[in-house]
Amino acid sequence: GAVVSQHPSWVICKSGTSVKIECRSLDFQATTMFWYRQFPKQSLMLMATSNEGSKATYEQGVEKDKFLINHASLTLSTLTVTSAHPEDSSFYICSARTGTGITEAFFGQGTRLTVV
Amino acid sequence: GQNIDQPTEMTATEGAIVQINCTYQTSGFNGLFWYQQHAGEAPTFLSYNVLDGLEEKGRFSSFLSRSKGYSYLLLKELQMKDSASYLCAVMDSNYQLIWGAGTKLIIKP
Repeated sequence: GAVVSQHPSWVICKSGTSVKIECRSLDFQATTMFWYRQFPKQSLMLMATSNEGSKATYEQGVEKDKFLINHASLTLSTLTVTSAHPEDSSFYICSARTGTGITEAFFGQGTRLTVV
Repeated sequence: GQNIDQPTEMTATEGAIVQINCTYQTSGFNGLFWYQQHAGEAPTFLSYNVLDGLEEKGRFSSFLSRSKGYSYLLLKELQMKDSASYLCAVMDSNYQLIWGAGTKLIIKP
């Protein structure tokens, strides 16, 4: 299957700082990328949908100014958590689909963010 | 509203068979996915059903009944490495994935 690379796999940062997470599709062009957050023992919560070259569509309750998403190319999307707080500590996962319609989602390895 | 239900946790014995159920109510239906997720890792694709019936893939099989809004994932000859969470996801009419909360499967020797 297609490969999605997410970096870093884990990060610890101080409260108030910003953290950038990268998601790359290595062997296909991802017209759409999705960013999820997953708290312990809970399901995936969609944060935003990112289309190449356009603004991301955020889910209700997700702060656009806090979670900055950039999808500058067909193979790269980034999520920046700005002014991180301990409550932002979570597992962040990106996924990409190869086109529109019915296609499976390929997931990155996930990023464990801990804000201290 | 849209809703996906699956049991929170199940326990089974190594070598046995286990069936994980998923019921759904969504706005439209473009298929149902099953993913496996080990703790601390991202989900990995297991199966996709869009037509009624059983899809078999090695030790794993997935069943779908669209009229009942029901699917199950069947795992045979359980191995310790099968201990994981199993996520059911439905693709709705907008081709968005709606995720269940996942079923944590515990395998005992």
